[in-house]
Amino acid sequence: EDQVTQSPEALRLQEGESSSLNCSYTVSGLRGLFWYRQDPGKGPEFLFTLYSAGEEKEKERLKATLTKKESFLHITAPKPEDSATYLCAVPLFSGNTPLVFGKGTRLSVIA
Amino acid sequence: GAGVSQSPSNKVTEKGKDVELRCDPISGHTALYWYRQSLGQGLEFLIYFQGNSAPDKSGLPSDRFSAERTGGSVSTLTIQRTQQEDSAVYLCASSPRTGGLDSPLHFGNGTRLTVT
Repeated sequence: EDQVTQSPEALRLQEGESSSLNCSYTVSGLRGLFWYRQDPGKGPEFLFTLYSAGEEKEKERLKATLTKKESFLHITAPKPEDSATYLCAVPLFSGNTPLVFGKGTRLSVIA
Repeated sequence: GAGVSQSPSNKVTEKGKDVELRCDPISGHTALYWYRQSLGQGLEFLIYFQGNSAPDKSGLPSDRFSAERTGGSVSTLTIQRTQQEDSAVYLCASSPRTGGLDSPLHFGNGTRLTVT
């Protein structure tokens, strides 16, 4: 059973066309959520940490939000350089624990 | 500053051979993780080291997989008697300390392993 599910699997946008990516999770007692960006041939790059429901974080054209059941990554007026795979991850347990990652959303922004 | 360094970046090996993958974490980072990323799959946790504590090996898929971390720094992931299903990108990550939320992972660019 997947504990972290991301949708859609792939998204193709025109430059300037805003949209949202979804990350839903089934782990009980959420202890925060991470968003990462991964470019082809590279390792994931950290974007945001969200600590609790209701929290929002912004960086350039990206805004991440968190509820008790899911997180959204909103992309406003995207540019071709925003094309990448976006991954979300949650810690399974508190304290010293590896992260559980979703399979990612592959975003393509067309000029 | 220098990030997480992994070598080799690509490795092609024949089925049944042993391989060693190396990870140099960011200096001063006490936590080190290995993940595996297969085509169309998410990152799969393999093993985790924290300081001098016993590693968390709960993600290793079989006893053909092992890892060590020498002197609290460099780590080597060894796969013995490689199988075709071992083909994947092996990612290493480090973080300044454990406790999760305040210590995001810093990833290397991975080793792409192909078993023929």
